[in-house]
Amino acid sequence: AQSVAQPEDQVNVAEGNPLTVKCTYSVSGNPYLFWYVQYPNRGLQFLLKYITGDNLVKGSYGFEAEFNKSQTSFHLKKPSALVSDSALYFCASEGGYQKVTFGTGTKLQVIP
Amino acid sequence: NAGVTQTPKFQVLKTGQSMTLQCAQDMNHEYMSWYRQDPGMGLRLIHYSVGAGITDQGEVPNGYNVSRSTTEDFPLRLLSAAPSQTSVYFCASSSGRRTGAEAFFGQGTRLTVV
Repeated sequence: AQSVAQPEDQVNVAEGNPLTVKCTYSVSGNPYLFWYVQYPNRGLQFLLKYITGDNLVKGSYGFEAEFNKSQTSFHLKKPSALVSDSALYFCASEGGYQKVTFGTGTKLQVIP
Repeated sequence: NAGVTQTPKFQVLKTGQSMTLQCAQDMNHEYMSWYRQDPGMGLRLIHYSVGAGITDQGEVPNGYNVSRSTTEDFPLRLLSAAPSQTSVYFCASSSGRRTGAEAFFGQGTRLTVV
């Protein structure tokens, strides 16, 4: 069975500092991995995905993620955090028939 | 573009009542799904559909029914509401099958069962 884990319930970072939100996966075969963001009282919005190819994936709003097969990780990163990045972030993996499994989410708080 | 539209946005039900959460998408997506979001548990898949006339169970299907008579619509029915079904419900759609296509989400329905 596929699964993703987000080990941190909350990440606090000062504005302007780099941020990392962690995700590890357990997926048989070639993983399809995603990051989504959820702002308060909104649905999830797609940020980026890894399907194949380059291990560094760039996405929306300056976010990027690094796929590491040996560590089974897909951490979300941004070089310089903004207060407006404060939100709930979900890692997800896609299995057969597009059944997508989500992590439990990480709340990112960017402190001015 | 409307994308994925969910109605209603808020609903309060009494235990034992039934209701239907509506979901419609205008992107001609084959795949649609329903999730519930509970604190500390992420999003859990309730039911999904890979095309009109085809539905299947997800991780937490008990107490919910779905049907997919058209490509556009994927309603979720609560048969007899229970307090444990208090949650935020999200409908999502995406194109294709095992393509790595990103999902588009509705804005959610916040359901309270008293």
